[in-house]
Amino acid sequence: QVQLVQSGAEVKKPGASVKVSCKASGYTFTSYGISWVRQAPGQGLEWMGWISAYNGNTNYAQKLQGRVTMTTDTSTSTAYMELRSLRSDDTAVYYCARVAAAGTGAFDIWGQGTMVTVSS
Amino acid sequence: QSVLTQPPSASGTPGQRVTISCSGSSSNIGSNTVNWYQQLPGTAPKLLIYSNNQRPSGVPDRFSGSKSGTSASLAISGLQSEDEADYYCAAWDDSLNGSVVFGGGTKLTVL
Repeated sequence: QVQLVQSGAEVKKPGASVKVSCKASGYTFTSYGISWVRQAPGQGLEWMGWISAYNGNTNYAQKLQGRVTMTTDTSTSTAYMELRSLRSDDTAVYYCARVAAAGTGAFDIWGQGTMVTVSS
Repeated sequence: QSVLTQPPSASGTPGQRVTISCSGSSSNIGSNTVNWYQQLPGTAPKLLIYSNNQRPSGVPDRFSGSKSGTSASLAISGLQSEDEADYYCAAWDDSLNGSVVFGGGTKLTVL
């Protein structure tokens, strides 16, 4: 079946970096983009950016520009999201999601989420 | 502060019809389609409505969406206990380089 499986929970110190993976299966990876969305504890959803699995083009949320990098490895159908210079307010569940149609905000398949805790 | 505005809470009794509103602007809802997500406690969001009023396969027809101008609504008819969840609206926003914007979420309680 179509699914996205993410890497496990992470605990990081302020100033460190984290890299979360998202492995796709059940569909042609390069036919869809991947977006990353995060959710701080008890808060709403925040879009972080998008990457085309076809050509690697990216579009990052302005708030995260310079700290986030999204990449893909088409040989393993895996997407990655790296966030640098972590702060306590980066503590959140990070989701990858398949983009059903570019430029619409419609995400039809979601990963299970990866909890990232930033604490000294 | 979310770009799209939703009421923080809504409630209804089993069998009732409830609606959740989502207000935006000309750069998002006013010029792009609206999507709705359902998030059950402790789980990832699930696409409920896309392109304003389309239901993905498997979503019951009790859920419906509509859009008018810079606002959109999600309606749930025949409310069931399992509908108790957080609901989020989302849309593409044309400002700057383009981005996806979400509403702050509405917690639906089935009384």
